[in-house]
Amino acid sequence: GAGVSQSPSNKVTEKGKDVELRCDPISGHTALYWYRQRLGQGLEFLIYFQGNSAPDKSGLPSDRFSAERTGESVSTLTIQRTQQEDSAVYLCASTISGILPPQYFGPGTRLTVL
Amino acid sequence: DQQVKQNSPSLSVQEGRISILNCDYTNSMFDYFLWYKKYPAEGPTFLISISSIKDKNEDGRFTVFLNKSAKHLSLHIVPSQPGDSAVYFCAASARYGGSQGNLIFGKGTKLSVKP
Repeated sequence: GAGVSQSPSNKVTEKGKDVELRCDPISGHTALYWYRQRLGQGLEFLIYFQGNSAPDKSGLPSDRFSAERTGESVSTLTIQRTQQEDSAVYLCASTISGILPPQYFGPGTRLTVL
Repeated sequence: DQQVKQNSPSLSVQEGRISILNCDYTNSMFDYFLWYKKYPAEGPTFLISISSIKDKNEDGRFTVFLNKSAKHLSLHIVPSQPGDSAVYFCAASARYGGSQGNLIFGKGTKLSVKP
């Protein structure tokens, strides 16, 4: 498809379990971002990948969060030992180059931690 | 500490009238501003943007105004249509300020356009 895709669209998990979220950016986009949106809040930056450079992890809220990206394609966001406060919509966005907005967003993954 | 603020959580407008959504920011390093529209269960969709070297950018029914001295921007939608009903997010970027183009988002304003 032409847009950013994410999977799964919904994920319900039990507290303490690990989850993995996937993002397929737009083909040719070198920059990829992960955000999360908690209920009633704005989007919160998590991590940024630009080409083969070291990722900017400054937004990750704890060491339970990690992300990987294979080249300039798929990225996975992993949350270990999930907590209830991790419940949010996790959004992925991509852009041609990191300093050239706009970012194009995927539909998000709604994560619910019980 | 919120760097991008949308002080109105909601706005209701009659179809055909103007919708004005406001946004304030605090970081003087921001040099690029964007508006996104978000429908329920979908990701944000890019709407319109403005560089800090401009004070106005227009695209069809949508116009964004930037007042740098006041650190304020606004989105005008004229005429408003029921399909414009959505949550509108203001976002800012300091492209050359070391933040790697990260977007800082406001909390959003929910616009309802009544037929």
